[in-house]
Amino acid sequence: EDQVTQSPEALRLQEGESSSLNCSYTVSGLRGLFWYRQDPGKGPEFLFTLYSAGEEKEKERLKATLTKKESFLHITAPKPEDSATYLCAVQDSGAGSYQLTFGKGTKLSVIP
Amino acid sequence: DTAVSQTPKYLVTQMGNDKSIKCEQNLGHDTMYWYKQDSKKFLKIMFSYNNKELIINETVPNRFSPKSPDKAHLNLHINSLELGDSAVYFCASSQEGDEQFFGPGTRLTVL
Repeated sequence: EDQVTQSPEALRLQEGESSSLNCSYTVSGLRGLFWYRQDPGKGPEFLFTLYSAGEEKEKERLKATLTKKESFLHITAPKPEDSATYLCAVQDSGAGSYQLTFGKGTKLSVIP
Repeated sequence: DTAVSQTPKYLVTQMGNDKSIKCEQNLGHDTMYWYKQDSKKFLKIMFSYNNKELIINETVPNRFSPKSPDKAHLNLHINSLELGDSAVYFCASSQEGDEQFFGPGTRLTVL
């Protein structure tokens, strides 16, 4: 069974204080690892897809990296508007569908 | 221009009732999904539907049934609602295994 574990559960940062979120996963065959952002009362918003170990993707203050066992979401000089819950999900190449298995998320709060 | 839309946004009903949630996507995607997000914010797959092939998560009670009138719509029907069905339900779509786009969610409260 696919498993995704995210840490920490919650993270409070001062504005400008860089940090990383962790996503460790167990999957029979990784088709893709996805990062989403979810604001309160809204649906998850797509950020990145990573397909193979060593791959990196960047968007503004966010950078996602992937190894064979985990992914990191690095946040550089965060701003209050980066406050949200960040969700990691895996897609199993051996599954019968394209469904995503999600972790429980990291709730990020950036304090001005 | 909404990509994935759901109606209603809020649904409050009594135990034992039957209800439906509608989902539409205008992205031209070939695969649609339903996810359930519980009170602890954990998002879990319920169904995926692709080219008339339905894949059901084995933990989903058979009181839940998706219905797809066409490629752009995947509605969720729930019979005999129970207290434990209270949650936020998200519809999503994708082009095969590419990134999934989520709707705004429907908050279901069963009294």
